[in-house]
Amino acid sequence: KAGVTQTPRYLIKTRGQQVTLSCSPISGHRSVSWYQQTPGQGLQFLFEYFSETQRNKGNFPGRFSGRQFSNSRSEMNVSTLELGDSALYLCASSRGLGDQPQHFGDGTRLSIL
Amino acid sequence: GEDVEQSLFLSVREGDSSVINCTYTDSSSTYLYWYKQEPGAGLQLLTYIFSNMDMKQDQRLTVLLNKKDKHLSLRIADTQTGDSAIYFCAESWGQLTFGSGTQLTVLP
Repeated sequence: KAGVTQTPRYLIKTRGQQVTLSCSPISGHRSVSWYQQTPGQGLQFLFEYFSETQRNKGNFPGRFSGRQFSNSRSEMNVSTLELGDSALYLCASSRGLGDQPQHFGDGTRLSIL
Repeated sequence: GEDVEQSLFLSVREGDSSVINCTYTDSSSTYLYWYKQEPGAGLQLLTYIFSNMDMKQDQRLTVLLNKKDKHLSLRIADTQTGDSAIYFCAESWGQLTFGSGTQLTVLP
């Protein structure tokens, strides 16, 4: 059974650009959550999607957004990139809303120059 | 707000047992988790315990939960060099709140 797949694995962008990251959950999983990992702040929750609707949101500015498609695949978008957005972005999936446990992908490493 | 705390570093000799400790603050957490992260990789779910349990054993892994003290521990028996990684505990109340991670180094 395939795990959570995130693409691309690595991205390099410059300040002011925007970026879209993709996450395909484990087959049969309908909930997708996104987390940001940085050396300074650790792992922080961004948002959770279920049935194509954002169900929960962390404390991040509006530049961070996401969506979920009918096949449960999710994308997150960051606009007007800042140097501080450099991080590992991790996606996790679970069977249902509030249903645990969450299984993580290998992440997308985003570097802002 | 919720806060999960872990010690930053732990070194053990190969073959010894490792014990990684964690304290949490949200008594309403449903599940408590242990994840492992190796360099360049995402988070691997190791094990988890429901909040009404005291102990869970899974092969070399033993999780102990002290709800009164809000203390969670992960014991790895017969620690191997392949166990070297960062270990995160996390509490769940829908979303996951992670500790800062414990870097486990296994010495030959």
